Amino acid sequence: DQQVKQNSPSLSVQEGRISILNCDYTNSMFDYFLWYKKYPAEGPTFLISISSIKDKNEDGRFTVFLNKSAKHLSLHIVPSQPGDSAVYFCAASAYAGGTSYGKLTFGQGTILTVHP
Amino acid sequence: KAGVTQTPRYLIKTRGQQVTLSCSPISGHRSVSWYQQTPGQGLQFLFEYFSETQRNKGNFPGRFSGRQFSNSRSEMNVSTLELGDSALYLCASSPGAGRETQYFGPGTRLLVL
Repeated sequence: DQQVKQNSPSLSVQEGRISILNCDYTNSMFDYFLWYKKYPAEGPTFLISISSIKDKNEDGRFTVFLNKSAKHLSLHIVPSQPGDSAVYFCAASAYAGGTSYGKLTFGQGTILTVHP
Repeated sequence: KAGVTQTPRYLIKTRGQQVTLSCSPISGHRSVSWYQQTPGQGLQFLFEYFSETQRNKGNFPGRFSGRQFSNSRSEMNVSTLELGDSALYLCASSPGAGRETQYFGPGTRLLVL
């Protein structure tokens, strides 16, 4: 039962253009969402997050959009740079009693390649 | 602030052996979560410790266990290793309450032969 899905295994984008990475979830209890970037044999690096009370959050070149009715979120990177090439994971957590008890549920990841 | 550290970074073991991995969280963080990453299953939650207590556990067999010390450092142990335990083991830390971001360490790459 995959509760968080990233249906595109890979995405190729030209430098300077927009990269859009998508993520869908099925568990309506999820109310906090995060995006991580990961290089092989390294730990994930936090990029940006969004709470379910918002529909958009921006941080520099990164913007995350949340559509709760569609159970869909997306990460926009503008402009894309070659250094952005990595695997991107979306993750979700559900809060009960004020904590998620440390559990993130991850998608399978999308490999982003930004060409110079 | 120093980030999350994990030791060792690489480990080779044989089937049937046991292994202990260590994780030091970001200073002030009281929650430590452990994850297993494999090509087939992706990133999967193992368990979480907060104030020396296991608060949450994923769907892994009892061969996977952990503990947390009073300084919030955590260890995870895998007994009777199987070939399928070969993976990247990641720990992440967070303050321990609210809508929190988890910060990950570099991981320990375990190879079981």
